[in-house]
Amino acid sequence: SQKIEQNSEALNIQEGKTATLTCNYTNYSPAYLQWYRQDPGRGPVFLLLIRENEKEKRKERLKVTFDTTLKQSLFHITASQPADSATYLCALDMVSSASKIIFGSGTRLSIRP
Amino acid sequence: DARVTQTPRHKVTEMGQEVTMRCQPILGHNTVFWYRQTMMQGLELLAYFRNRAPLDDSGMPKDRFSAEMPDATLATLKIQPSEPRDSAVYFCASAQSEGASTGELFFGEGSRLTVL
Repeated sequence: SQKIEQNSEALNIQEGKTATLTCNYTNYSPAYLQWYRQDPGRGPVFLLLIRENEKEKRKERLKVTFDTTLKQSLFHITASQPADSATYLCALDMVSSASKIIFGSGTRLSIRP
Repeated sequence: DARVTQTPRHKVTEMGQEVTMRCQPILGHNTVFWYRQTMMQGLELLAYFRNRAPLDDSGMPKDRFSAEMPDATLATLKIQPSEPRDSAVYFCASAQSEGASTGELFFGEGSRLTVL
């Protein structure tokens, strides 16, 4: 069956540390992978997109990796801050399936001061 | 400040009633998605359109749900009749898609539906 799994429902880390979130998928072949942030009561907000032929993408304190062999993406937030606390969602951009975008269940990240 | 607009933001209704949710995508965007979010199921894809044509609505219960784009500035999601299990937050998202990839999605703030 097709699945997108994000590591642990919740992740708690100390301010200043690097947060690493995992997105694993099975039986999909996405051409692109995206990461979104969602705050309570709000819609998701786009953060980063990485293509299948890219190994790594960076934006300020964010870094995303994409390993199509392992079928895994890692999302890193360096020098984490309490303001980074939110739910983070990975999404597969399925070019081969009429460009549908499907989401993982999300990881709730809490950064404690 | 371009944004996706959804109405209503909140809706409480009784089982069996018809519910219509509306979405105004960002001007110029050619792709519109409807998602439903619950604690148990996360963000589920219901239907999506490219250039107003439906591409996939396999995630939608066909017997009671329908999605349309009467014009480029309006997408609608209708539930008739509504049931308590339809209670969720419904999100609309739009994108300016080029080629095969959809690209970045811009989400609205959602319509929170409660069916009693």
